[in-house]
Amino acid sequence: DSGVTQTPKHLITATGQRVTLRCSPRSGDLSVYWYQQSLDQGLQFLIQYYNGEERAKGNILERFSAQQFPDLHSELNLSSLELGDSALYFCASSQGVAGGTGELFFGEGSRLTVL
Amino acid sequence: SQQGEEDPQALSIQEGENATMNCSYKTSINNLQWYRQNSGRGLVHLILIRSNEREKHSGRLRVTLDTSKKSSSLLITASRAADTASYFCATDAISGSNYKLTFGKGTLLTVNP
Repeated sequence: DSGVTQTPKHLITATGQRVTLRCSPRSGDLSVYWYQQSLDQGLQFLIQYYNGEERAKGNILERFSAQQFPDLHSELNLSSLELGDSALYFCASSQGVAGGTGELFFGEGSRLTVL
Repeated sequence: SQQGEEDPQALSIQEGENATMNCSYKTSINNLQWYRQNSGRGLVHLILIRSNEREKHSGRLRVTLDTSKKSSSLLITASRAADTASYFCATDAISGSNYKLTFGKGTLLTVNP
């Protein structure tokens, strides 16, 4: 058990809909990362937050947004969903020390299926 | 975009044999990490090697890093059926004013009992 909790584990929805994925980081970790894993694209970095503020942005679509709340949990919002958004979405957390990325602790992921 | 590329894409060996996976990358890095993923599960961190280190050991794992060739290798000795998983290298590099950890597409290791 990594200590990172993601909900929901599975989600099935229709094209055009909006969903919210939730992540609770490991106790004491200030950084939260979101990754998308699909068969064709592999594991793609979406976005990172540190103590409530956006720190780094990757290949995140404009239809997607995220935030980290004062209690450090994070949410990833996916809107106007398309078939190609079907993927496994991972949240990871780390202590977030300066000078680079250390060991990440991953949740079990949220599997999104868009029909 | 992928920074690290693992080789081979798939590897099948017998229990007790050693497994070697390679990772090549394109830009200067701060550190390189290896992760393991059992089918459909979350990734688990195995080992981190900094850019000024050449070799690191952890149990049955041995990681090497050659920054001149921009490559790393992960060796799993005396493999077990339970080692069956996908293995990913991830490179930590500066991008703009922040560091980003970028994953390769992974090597699928199958250890046959």
